[in-house]
Amino acid sequence: AQSVAQPEDQVNVAEGNPLTVKCTYSVSGNPYLFWYVQYPNRGLQFLLKYITGDNLVKGSYGFEAEFNKSQTSFHLKKPSALVSDSALYFCAVRDIRYGQNFVFGPGTRLSVLP
Amino acid sequence: NAGVTQTPKFQVLKTGQSMTLQCAQDMNHNSMYWYRQDPGMGLRLIYYSASEGTTDKGEVPNGYNVSRLNKREFSLRLESAAPSQTSVYFCASSEAPGMGEQYFGPGTRLTVT
Repeated sequence: AQSVAQPEDQVNVAEGNPLTVKCTYSVSGNPYLFWYVQYPNRGLQFLLKYITGDNLVKGSYGFEAEFNKSQTSFHLKKPSALVSDSALYFCAVRDIRYGQNFVFGPGTRLSVLP
Repeated sequence: NAGVTQTPKFQVLKTGQSMTLQCAQDMNHNSMYWYRQDPGMGLRLIYYSASEGTTDKGEVPNGYNVSRLNKREFSLRLESAAPSQTSVYFCASSEAPGMGEQYFGPGTRLTVT
């Protein structure tokens, strides 16, 4: 079974509007959850993580994510989207099947329209 | 600080040829990783090295070998390339496995014909 799912291949949002990129997970034990962003022809860059503590996590570039244990979700959010936020976004979860390493979701392409 | 560097950036191989992808990090990280990225599949872990002197298989290790040459360097070898290994390969490093964020290199785009 997939450890992490990103149900939307593509999300389109107008500049200035709030954005949400969805992620759900399925792992045993306490989940360690990460979000990364990939700009064209670049490697992934870390945005934020949830290990323990407050369910609302704040990260780089104004992004935040909300951990919801009952819904097994870790959605990425930003109150006001910028055109420069257009990129590929990956959710990742630690999966003990691979030691302490992470499994990445398939990615969601975010397009922010001017 | 260069972070994580990878060579080469691009490579075209014929089926059956071999090559080694090189990766180096200058952040004194203990753990290093090799992933492949294919459209619609996200990143899949090929091999990882939790610390210098150790290597372990990830999700898709078949057809690959790795060497953790020292704390800085982690290479990935394709002994006999196949078209199914056409992909973008990323190296990453982290202070320790499991909790810390990973830092990624710029990637190697490999085509096997």
